[in-house]
Amino acid sequence: IAGITQAPTSQILAAGRRMTLRCTQDMRHNAMYWYRQDLGLGLRLIHYSNTAGTTGKGEVPDGYSVSRANTDDFPLTLASAVPSQTSVYFCASSESRNTGELFFGEGSRLTVL
Amino acid sequence: QKEVEQDPGPLSVPEGAIVSLNCTYSNSAFQYFMWYRQYSRKGPELLMYTYSSGNKEDGRFTAQVDKSSKYISLFIRDSQPSDSATYLCAIDNTDKLIFGTGTRLQVFP
Repeated sequence: IAGITQAPTSQILAAGRRMTLRCTQDMRHNAMYWYRQDLGLGLRLIHYSNTAGTTGKGEVPDGYSVSRANTDDFPLTLASAVPSQTSVYFCASSESRNTGELFFGEGSRLTVL
Repeated sequence: QKEVEQDPGPLSVPEGAIVSLNCTYSNSAFQYFMWYRQYSRKGPELLMYTYSSGNKEDGRFTAQVDKSSKYISLFIRDSQPSDSATYLCAIDNTDKLIFGTGTRLQVFP
């Protein structure tokens, strides 16, 4: 089934550990995004990529990094996890940066203890 | 003031009811408005997309934009238990989407 694949689905990790959330899309979309979703705060953009080889900071980028080596993959790395990064993380893509229809993955639930 | 604000809910209605979900926004320059639906433990999916003012209908769903009041609405007619989900409004600010916090809807049989 075409779409966005995220891994892992769920993860518990100790504070201070490094973690990479994986995201792959097979729609050949140019733009990709990482959001975190927290109760009462909604979806907040962490980082985005307009096209392969470029990335940009969103609303809440601190503590996170991304890379976009090719069109399909857009991993999100937490260099040293902290409890405030406990959240549900969604990867999304769109044909281009300026279109409103985002396609989301199923999410990765991360708990930092 | 937040760029977009949404009724928090939760909203609980009986099957068959008409549901009204609402958001307000702050910038009158916004032109593109969306509603996303998110089922529990799933990612959001686009439900409706409207440009500027007016109504757009798709089956049991109607999206309405009132630019003079900076108010957007989603109406669901003949609501079904399968409509139980969180509904997020979103506004396309040219270079980014601004999401509301979502309204959780529960339709009981």
